[in-house]
Amino acid sequence: EIVLTQSPGTLSLSPGERATLSCRASQSVSSSYLAWYQQKPGQAPRLLIYGASSRATGIPDRFSGSGSGTDFTLTISRLEPEDFAVYYCQQYGSSWGTFGQGTKVEIK
Amino acid sequence: EVQLVESGGGLVQPGGSLRLSCAASGFTFSSYWMSWVRQAPGKGLEWVANIKQDGSEKYYVDSVKGRFTISRDNAKNSLYLQMNSLRAEDTAVYYCARINWNYDYWGQGTLVTVSS
Repeated sequence: EIVLTQSPGTLSLSPGERATLSCRASQSVSSSYLAWYQQKPGQAPRLLIYGASSRATGIPDRFSGSGSGTDFTLTISRLEPEDFAVYYCQQYGSSWGTFGQGTKVEIK
Repeated sequence: EVQLVESGGGLVQPGGSLRLSCAASGFTFSSYWMSWVRQAPGKGLEWVANIKQDGSEKYYVDSVKGRFTISRDNAKNSLYLQMNSLRAEDTAVYYCARINWNYDYWGQGTLVTVSS
């Protein structure tokens, strides 16, 4: 079973700053099946990035994903007020859908 | 517009049963794998189960194997999760999600509370 570990647990930043979120897998995973989701309080998760680096429909270009093998990164180039939320990485296949434990991006 | 609407949540005693439903619209339901994902209060996301387009393949997280059953009715554009022998640790918001090489659409969730 692949375990995804996200760091840091909480990121305290100001609007306009750059956010860098990490997702590390316990063994190598296919980049094709690595996604990032954003979740705000009381809402369902929203797909941001799929295939490690492709933005989902309607996602602003300040969000970008990168990485391969066991190390993946979500970068938010300039934080907007609506970007403060919890972010999850996920490694998925037909028979599983493991999530990381999440990184909370909070206003400093 | 793709829509997924869950229903069937509520309060149930430990050891009890509950059946969740997810009504799908705005896409060809029978063409997609579907999934259930849950989130315990104040916790992260946990994948629960997946089902293939025709229902011939089903996969579960270890903690629910033998207790939960995922199913679908393509004629009714509906996904189901039958939950038996419920435990306190099954308390969560349960989301259904469409799988399209990723989990691209999610419902708003239904809350299941297991408590005496």
